[in-house]
Amino acid sequence: DAKTTQPNSMESNEEEPVHLPCNHSTISGTDYIHWYRQLPSQGPEYVIHGLTSNVNNRMASLAIAEDRKSSTLILHRATLRDAAVYYCILRPGGGADGLTFGKGTHLIIQP
Amino acid sequence: NAGVTQTPKFRILKIGQSMTLQCTQDMNHNYMYWYRQDPGMGLKLIYYSVGAGITDKGEVPNGYNVSRSTTEDFPLRLELAAPSQTSVYFCASSYATGYQPQHFGDGTRLSIL
Repeated sequence: DAKTTQPNSMESNEEEPVHLPCNHSTISGTDYIHWYRQLPSQGPEYVIHGLTSNVNNRMASLAIAEDRKSSTLILHRATLRDAAVYYCILRPGGGADGLTFGKGTHLIIQP
Repeated sequence: NAGVTQTPKFRILKIGQSMTLQCTQDMNHNYMYWYRQDPGMGLKLIYYSVGAGITDKGEVPNGYNVSRSTTEDFPLRLELAAPSQTSVYFCASSYATGYQPQHFGDGTRLSIL
């Protein structure tokens, strides 16, 4: 899987929007951009994924740059429960093996 | 809907002992995965399976074995426990490959002393 680069940590205030960046300059045309998060003492949880167009679901939005070399996960109104490690992962469309996790971004939410 | 269930949640082993980590899913997923997570790190793939009877190695398979006799179950076996295998182990499953999300269990925390 291609490599991604994320900030080690970010801090935000409760009830404010959060923008989590991810750089993936070596992305290939068939790579999907996935985001997972891991709350303390839990397994990773799927958040959202996209290929070329921006995506929205009940948890978050994913904004993908036109050249696909970067993306941003947007939490529209952060709560304390959103404090977690967020992982940006590239995955080939036909890949059968597992996900490649980096160290992710540790998101801290201040009340 | 239970999703992915892992047992036990915690275990302490002595060096050289053996054990099996259990994983079962009730979503009729063909694809199943085992990962380990060391402190402060991301998850690393140990083994995966694309269906009953088919398994393949991931990034860190040494010291582990797996089997997949049914769609639901994917046990991970440690034959001779070593301190380097102290970690948190996660099992996951997915309906298909590529863009399909993986669903994770809550993990097994294993200490080898």
